[in-house]
Amino acid sequence: AQSVAQPEDQVNVAEGNPLTVKCTYSVSGNPYLFWYVQYPNRGLQFLLKYITGDNLVKGSYGFEAEFNKSQTSFHMKKPSAIVSDSALYFCAVRDRYSSASKIIFGSGTRLSIRP
Amino acid sequence: NAGVTQTPKFQVLKTGQSMTLQCAQDMNHNSMYWYRQDPGMGLRLIYYSASEGTTDKGEVPNGYNVSRLNKREFSLRLESAAPSQTSVYFCASTLDPGQGLSYTFGSGTRLTVV
Repeated sequence: AQSVAQPEDQVNVAEGNPLTVKCTYSVSGNPYLFWYVQYPNRGLQFLLKYITGDNLVKGSYGFEAEFNKSQTSFHMKKPSAIVSDSALYFCAVRDRYSSASKIIFGSGTRLSIRP
Repeated sequence: NAGVTQTPKFQVLKTGQSMTLQCAQDMNHNSMYWYRQDPGMGLRLIYYSASEGTTDKGEVPNGYNVSRLNKREFSLRLESAAPSQTSVYFCASTLDPGQGLSYTFGSGTRLTVV
């Protein structure tokens, strides 16, 4: 079975400071990993993904995430937060060898950037 | 604009009423999904369709049925609505989940059952 955990319901950061949103996963094989963002009253938007290769992946709006196989983590980071980064962020995982054509989402982390 | 279109955007039902949520995508995607989003619980998969002509249950299928009408359309039906089905429903699609391709989401249907 595959699962994903986001241990923080909310993360508060001052504008200009670095931010980290945490994600850990569990799959029986090798994972595909994703981050999505949701703005109020909108659907989810894709930010970045890890498929294979370099463990550090870069995505939209200056976000990046690091795949760490030994810690089964895929934390997302940004060097300098801006107010418009405030949103709900979801980590998601899929076992690449699973026959089931679906990905599993975490419970979400609300990121709040204060001016 | 290309993407996933959901209708209606808002709906209020009385307990016991039925309704169908519509979803259509124009990206020639093979796989389509229905999720519900509840506070503190993230997105939970209701049903999905890996390809035209197939449907499978997700985590929370009870009280719902689906139809993959054709490659473009994937509808979700509530036969007898219950207050526990009050939620925001999202449809999503992807070309090929086996290749790690990302999902495209619709803007959601906010359903209230009273």
